[in-house]
Amino acid sequence: GQNIDQPTEMTATEGAIVQINCTYQTSGFNGLFWYQQHAGEAPTFLSYNVLDGLEEKGRFSSFLSRSKGYSYLLLKELQMKDSASYLCAFNTGGFKTIFGAGTRLFVKA
Amino acid sequence: EAGVAQSPRYKIIEKRQSVAFWCNPISGHATLYWYQQILGQGPKLLIQFQNNGVVDDSQLPKDRFSAERLKGVDSTLKIQPAKLEDSAVYLCASSYRGPRGGYNSPLHFGNGTRLTVT
Repeated sequence: GQNIDQPTEMTATEGAIVQINCTYQTSGFNGLFWYQQHAGEAPTFLSYNVLDGLEEKGRFSSFLSRSKGYSYLLLKELQMKDSASYLCAFNTGGFKTIFGAGTRLFVKA
Repeated sequence: EAGVAQSPRYKIIEKRQSVAFWCNPISGHATLYWYQQILGQGPKLLIQFQNNGVVDDSQLPKDRFSAERLKGVDSTLKIQPAKLEDSAVYLCASSYRGPRGGYNSPLHFGNGTRLTVT
């Protein structure tokens, strides 16, 4: 079957670094996405990994290990505006994108 | 570029009534998706179109939900009759992905329609 697991909630302090983990199971895989979703808003794209390794994009980095079915999103220099839900999603074969339940991140001063 | 347009933003109906949502994707995006997002959960794929053909509707409750994509552009999602458990945000998304690939093309979401069934 297809499954994604992420922690439900995390809390971190402004200026700190936080790592949000995601594990997945799927028979067909064509890459992994991270999306950010602020309360009451639509998800917006953050990153895409299809090969193993780390992709860095400003304060956000995303890592993928296909053999382990594992990814993480790393947020550096946390800001209050980073308080949001972070959704891990993978592409199955073809064009189907499956989302996890999301991790709610609370950034405190 | 203009984003994905959805209407209405909010809808309140009584159970057993019907409701329809409309979506206009980003111009040139071949793939269109309807997701249901219940409060506190991730988006759940209901149906996926490639141009005006259905690619996947395995999670669409076909006894009450229907969707179409006219001329490979706009799409409507209908619920008839609605149940209490249909209360959710209905998100439309589009993507550049097509038969030649583009797997790394992200989904672009509209602002969604928040449906409350009483």
